[in-house]
Amino acid sequence: KNQVEQSPQSLIILEGKNCTLQCNYTVSPFSNLRWYKQDTGRGPVSLTIMTFSENTKSNGRYTATLDADTKQSSLHITASQLSDSASYICVVRAGGSYIPTFGRGTSLIVHP
Amino acid sequence: DAGITQSPRYKITETGRQVTLMCHQTWSHSYMFWYRQDLGHGLRLIYYSAAADITDKGEVSDGYVVSRSKTENFPLTLESATRSQTSVYFCASSEQGYYNEQFFGPGTRLTVL
Repeated sequence: KNQVEQSPQSLIILEGKNCTLQCNYTVSPFSNLRWYKQDTGRGPVSLTIMTFSENTKSNGRYTATLDADTKQSSLHITASQLSDSASYICVVRAGGSYIPTFGRGTSLIVHP
Repeated sequence: DAGITQSPRYKITETGRQVTLMCHQTWSHSYMFWYRQDLGHGLRLIYYSAAADITDKGEVSDGYVVSRSKTENFPLTLESATRSQTSVYFCASSEQGYYNEQFFGPGTRLTVL
């Protein structure tokens, strides 16, 4: 069964600090992995997509990494801001399927 | 307005009533999805549709019905609402293709009393 596990479940950091969120998956065969950001009361929005051949991709202060061998991805947030407070969801798609598998998300709170 | 919209945004109903949640997208995306989001469970797929008149069940489809007579609309009906269906419901759409990013609506918060 395809599964996506995220850790930690929740995280509290101070504004300006860095943090790293983890995603482990057992989806096979792997096609791509997306990180979504979901602000409170809104739908998720895609931050970045990682394909099999990509190891690192940045989107502003967000940097995603992918290790396809160990089936792990991370999302690193640099110099956090209050607006980074949100849930971050890892979503993995298997080859041949348009139905992705969602992780349960990591809830990030950034305090001033 | 362009994009994906859901209505109503908030709904309170009683056990046993039929409720329909609406979803409309203006991109002509092939795929549309309904999810429910509950604390501790993340997003769970209820139903999806690959094109007009083609629908299929997700992991939590019991008690729900969908239809897709037009590409742009994908209504979700709770035939006889139960308290366990109290949740936030998200509709999403995506193109058919390798990168198929899902675009989500703003959600409908449904409370069943």
